[in-house]
Amino acid sequence: GAGVSQTPSNKVTEKGKYVELRCDPISGHTALYWYRQSLGQGPEFLIYFQGTGAADDSGLPNDRFFAVRPEGSVSTLKIQRTERGDSAVYLCASSLGGSRTDTQYFGPGTRLTVL
Amino acid sequence: AQSVAQPEDQVNVAEGNPLTVKCTYSVSGNPYLFWYVQYPNRSLQFLLKYITGDNLVKGSYGFEAEFNKSQTSFHLKKPSALVSDSALYFCAVRSGGNTPLVFGKGTRLSVIA
Repeated sequence: GAGVSQTPSNKVTEKGKYVELRCDPISGHTALYWYRQSLGQGPEFLIYFQGTGAADDSGLPNDRFFAVRPEGSVSTLKIQRTERGDSAVYLCASSLGGSRTDTQYFGPGTRLTVL
Repeated sequence: AQSVAQPEDQVNVAEGNPLTVKCTYSVSGNPYLFWYVQYPNRSLQFLLKYITGDNLVKGSYGFEAEFNKSQTSFHLKKPSALVSDSALYFCAVRSGGNTPLVFGKGTRLSVIA
Protein backbone atom coordinates (compact mmCIF):
# COMPACT_ATOMS: atom_id res chain seq x y z
CA GLY A 1 0.00 0.00 0.00
CA ALA A 2 0.96 3.64 -0.26
CA GLY A 3 3.34 4.98 2.31
CA VAL A 4 3.70 8.45 3.75
CA SER A 5 4.08 11.06 1.04
CA GLN A 6 5.48 14.57 1.32
CA THR A 7 5.43 17.49 -1.05
CA PRO A 8 7.39 19.23 -2.33
CA SER A 9 10.50 17.06 -2.27
CA ASN A 10 12.65 20.17 -2.47
CA LYS A 11 11.90 23.78 -1.63
CA VAL A 12 14.24 26.70 -2.11
CA THR A 13 13.16 30.03 -0.69
CA GLU A 14 14.59 33.36 0.30
CA LYS A 15 15.10 34.56 3.82
CA GLY A 16 11.96 36.15 5.20
CA LYS A 17 9.53 34.25 2.98
CA TYR A 18 6.68 31.98 4.07
CA VAL A 19 6.66 28.26 3.22
CA GLU A 20 4.23 25.39 3.55
CA LEU A 21 5.22 21.75 3.62
CA ARG A 22 2.63 19.04 3.13
CA CYS A 23 2.37 15.52 4.53
CA ASP A 24 -0.06 12.81 3.50
CA PRO A 25 0.03 9.95 6.06
CA ILE A 26 -0.71 6.28 5.58
CA SER A 27 -4.44 5.78 5.25
CA GLY A 28 -6.04 4.94 8.59
CA HIS A 29 -3.16 6.21 10.71
CA THR A 30 -4.47 8.51 13.41
CA ALA A 31 -1.11 9.77 14.66
CA LEU A 32 1.11 12.09 12.65
CA TYR A 33 4.52 13.47 13.55
CA TRP A 34 6.82 16.14 12.16
CA TYR A 35 10.59 15.99 12.58
CA ARG A 36 13.50 18.10 11.39
CA GLN A 37 16.79 16.52 10.36
CA SER A 38 19.89 18.64 10.00
CA LEU A 39 23.03 17.40 8.27
CA GLY A 40 24.87 14.83 10.35
CA GLN A 41 22.12 14.61 12.95
CA GLY A 42 19.24 12.33 13.74
CA PRO A 43 15.65 13.52 13.32
CA GLU A 44 14.46 15.97 15.99
CA PHE A 45 10.85 15.97 17.07
CA LEU A 46 8.75 19.02 16.27
CA ILE A 47 5.06 18.25 16.77
CA TYR A 48 2.65 15.33 17.15
CA PHE A 49 -1.00 15.16 16.12
CA GLN A 50 -3.57 12.69 17.35
CA GLY A 51 -6.48 13.10 15.00
CA THR A 52 -7.01 16.79 14.33
CA GLY A 53 -5.45 18.09 17.51
CA ALA A 54 -1.83 18.81 18.33
CA ALA A 55 -1.16 16.50 21.28
CA ASP A 56 2.42 17.70 21.75
CA ASP A 57 4.02 20.74 20.12
CA SER A 58 6.93 21.01 22.55
CA GLY A 59 9.50 20.54 19.79
CA LEU A 60 8.52 23.58 17.71
CA PRO A 61 11.54 25.90 17.98
CA ASN A 62 9.63 29.20 18.07
CA ASP A 63 6.38 30.85 17.08
CA ARG A 64 7.38 31.11 13.42
CA PHE A 65 6.58 27.40 13.14
CA PHE A 66 3.10 25.96 13.31
CA ALA A 67 1.26 23.00 11.87
CA VAL A 68 -2.31 22.02 11.19
CA ARG A 69 -4.23 18.85 10.46
CA PRO A 70 -7.78 20.10 9.98
CA GLU A 71 -9.46 16.87 8.90
CA GLY A 72 -7.28 14.39 10.75
CA SER A 73 -5.43 13.23 7.67
CA VAL A 74 -3.20 15.57 5.63
CA SER A 75 -1.02 17.92 7.64
CA THR A 76 0.73 21.14 6.69
CA LEU A 77 3.79 22.51 8.44
CA LYS A 78 3.99 26.27 8.04
CA ILE A 79 7.07 28.38 8.57
CA GLN A 80 6.84 32.18 8.62
CA ARG A 81 9.70 34.63 8.06
CA THR A 82 12.12 31.85 7.18
CA GLU A 83 15.71 32.10 8.34
CA ARG A 84 18.84 30.44 6.97
CA GLY A 85 18.97 28.29 10.09
CA ASP A 86 15.66 26.72 9.10
CA SER A 87 17.40 24.90 6.25
CA ALA A 88 17.04 21.17 6.88
CA VAL A 89 15.12 18.10 5.78
CA TYR A 90 11.63 18.09 7.25
CA LEU A 91 10.32 14.58 7.83
CA CYS A 92 6.79 13.45 8.43
CA ALA A 93 5.85 10.14 10.02
CA SER A 94 2.59 8.43 10.84
CA SER A 95 1.56 5.56 13.07
CA LEU A 96 -1.61 3.56 13.51
CA GLY A 97 -2.24 5.04 16.94
CA GLY A 98 -0.37 7.32 19.27
CA SER A 99 0.87 4.63 21.62
CA ARG A 100 4.54 4.78 22.53
CA THR A 101 4.92 1.22 21.23
CA ASP A 102 3.49 1.96 17.78
CA THR A 103 5.95 1.99 14.89
CA GLN A 104 6.31 5.30 13.11
CA TYR A 105 6.63 5.15 9.31
CA PHE A 106 8.48 7.96 7.64
CA GLY A 107 7.97 9.84 4.42
CA PRO A 108 10.77 10.81 2.03
CA GLY A 109 11.09 14.29 3.48
CA THR A 110 11.13 17.83 2.13
CA ARG A 111 14.54 19.42 1.77
CA LEU A 112 14.16 23.10 2.63
CA THR A 113 16.89 25.52 1.63
CA VAL A 114 16.67 29.12 2.79
CA LEU A 115 18.98 31.43 0.85
CA ALA B 1 15.04 13.62 29.95
CA GLN B 2 15.52 10.73 27.60
CA SER B 3 18.54 10.41 25.34
CA VAL B 4 20.27 8.04 22.96
CA ALA B 5 23.97 7.70 22.28
CA GLN B 6 25.50 6.09 19.24
CA PRO B 7 29.19 6.22 20.13
CA GLU B 8 30.51 5.42 16.66
CA ASP B 9 30.05 7.84 13.77
CA GLN B 10 31.35 5.22 11.33
CA VAL B 11 31.65 1.44 11.35
CA ASN B 12 33.58 -0.42 8.67
CA VAL B 13 33.22 -4.16 8.20
CA ALA B 14 34.21 -6.65 5.53
CA GLU B 15 31.48 -8.40 3.62
CA GLY B 16 30.60 -11.72 5.23
CA ASN B 17 31.82 -10.67 8.67
CA PRO B 18 29.48 -10.06 11.59
CA LEU B 19 28.54 -6.46 12.27
CA THR B 20 27.54 -4.57 15.39
CA VAL B 21 26.21 -1.01 15.59
CA LYS B 22 26.14 0.24 19.16
CA CYS B 23 23.38 2.14 20.96
CA THR B 24 22.96 3.11 24.60
CA TYR B 25 20.03 4.97 26.06
CA SER B 26 18.92 6.90 29.10
CA VAL B 27 15.27 7.10 30.16
CA SER B 28 13.19 7.29 33.28
CA GLY B 29 10.80 4.38 33.22
CA ASN B 30 10.57 1.55 30.75
CA PRO B 31 12.29 2.08 27.40
CA TYR B 32 10.77 1.35 24.02
CA LEU B 33 13.62 1.03 21.55
CA PHE B 34 13.71 1.24 17.77
CA TRP B 35 16.23 0.88 14.96
CA TYR B 36 15.81 2.61 11.61
CA VAL B 37 17.97 2.52 8.49
CA GLN B 38 18.43 5.30 5.94
CA TYR B 39 19.81 4.34 2.56
CA PRO B 40 21.29 7.08 0.35
CA ASN B 41 18.60 9.45 -0.90
CA ARG B 42 15.87 7.42 0.80
CA SER B 43 13.79 7.99 3.89
CA LEU B 44 14.08 6.20 7.21
CA GLN B 45 12.95 2.59 7.12
CA PHE B 46 11.89 0.71 10.24
CA LEU B 47 14.08 -2.31 11.06
CA LEU B 48 12.96 -3.59 14.45
CA LYS B 49 11.78 -2.62 17.91
CA TYR B 50 11.90 -3.77 21.51
CA ILE B 51 8.76 -3.34 23.56
CA THR B 52 8.83 -6.09 26.16
CA GLY B 53 9.53 -9.79 26.47
CA ASP B 54 12.43 -11.59 24.83
CA ASN B 55 15.59 -9.50 24.96
CA LEU B 56 16.64 -10.64 21.48
CA VAL B 57 14.57 -8.99 18.79
CA LYS B 58 14.66 -10.08 15.17
CA GLY B 59 13.88 -7.67 12.38
CA SER B 60 14.05 -7.04 8.66
CA TYR B 61 16.91 -8.01 6.32
CA GLY B 62 18.45 -10.44 8.84
CA PHE B 63 19.12 -7.81 11.50
CA GLU B 64 18.62 -8.42 15.20
CA ALA B 65 19.17 -6.42 18.35
CA GLU B 66 19.69 -7.35 21.96
CA PHE B 67 18.14 -5.37 24.78
CA ASN B 68 20.40 -5.25 27.84
CA LYS B 69 18.74 -3.50 30.76
CA SER B 70 21.76 -3.53 33.09
CA GLN B 71 23.97 -1.94 30.46
CA THR B 72 21.16 0.25 29.05
CA SER B 73 22.12 -0.88 25.57
CA PHE B 74 20.33 -2.00 22.43
CA HIS B 75 23.05 -2.94 19.96
CA LEU B 76 22.14 -3.83 16.38
CA LYS B 77 23.73 -6.97 14.96
CA LYS B 78 23.88 -9.10 11.85
CA PRO B 79 25.79 -12.39 11.55
CA SER B 80 27.03 -11.80 8.00
CA ALA B 81 27.24 -8.33 6.47
CA LEU B 82 26.34 -7.53 2.87
CA VAL B 83 27.61 -4.65 0.77
CA SER B 84 23.97 -3.63 0.38
CA ASP B 85 23.76 -3.08 4.17
CA SER B 86 25.88 0.04 3.75
CA ALA B 87 23.69 2.86 5.04
CA LEU B 88 23.05 5.22 7.95
CA TYR B 89 21.57 3.55 11.03
CA PHE B 90 19.60 5.34 13.72
CA CYS B 91 18.67 4.12 17.18
CA ALA B 92 15.67 5.75 18.87
CA VAL B 93 13.97 5.54 22.26
CA ARG B 94 10.61 6.44 23.66
CA SER B 95 9.54 6.25 27.28
CA GLY B 96 6.37 6.65 29.24
CA GLY B 97 3.53 9.06 28.79
CA ASN B 98 3.48 11.16 25.66
CA THR B 99 7.23 11.56 25.40
CA PRO B 100 8.39 11.87 21.80
CA LEU B 101 10.69 9.50 19.95
CA VAL B 102 14.29 10.60 20.51
CA PHE B 103 16.91 9.64 17.95
CA GLY B 104 20.65 9.18 18.16
CA LYS B 105 22.97 10.99 15.76
CA GLY B 106 23.31 7.95 13.55
CA THR B 107 26.10 5.55 12.62
CA ARG B 108 27.29 5.19 9.08
CA LEU B 109 27.93 1.55 8.24
CA SER B 110 30.25 0.75 5.36
CA VAL B 111 30.50 -2.86 4.22
CA ILE B 112 33.51 -3.47 2.03
CA ALA B 113 33.59 -6.23 -0.55
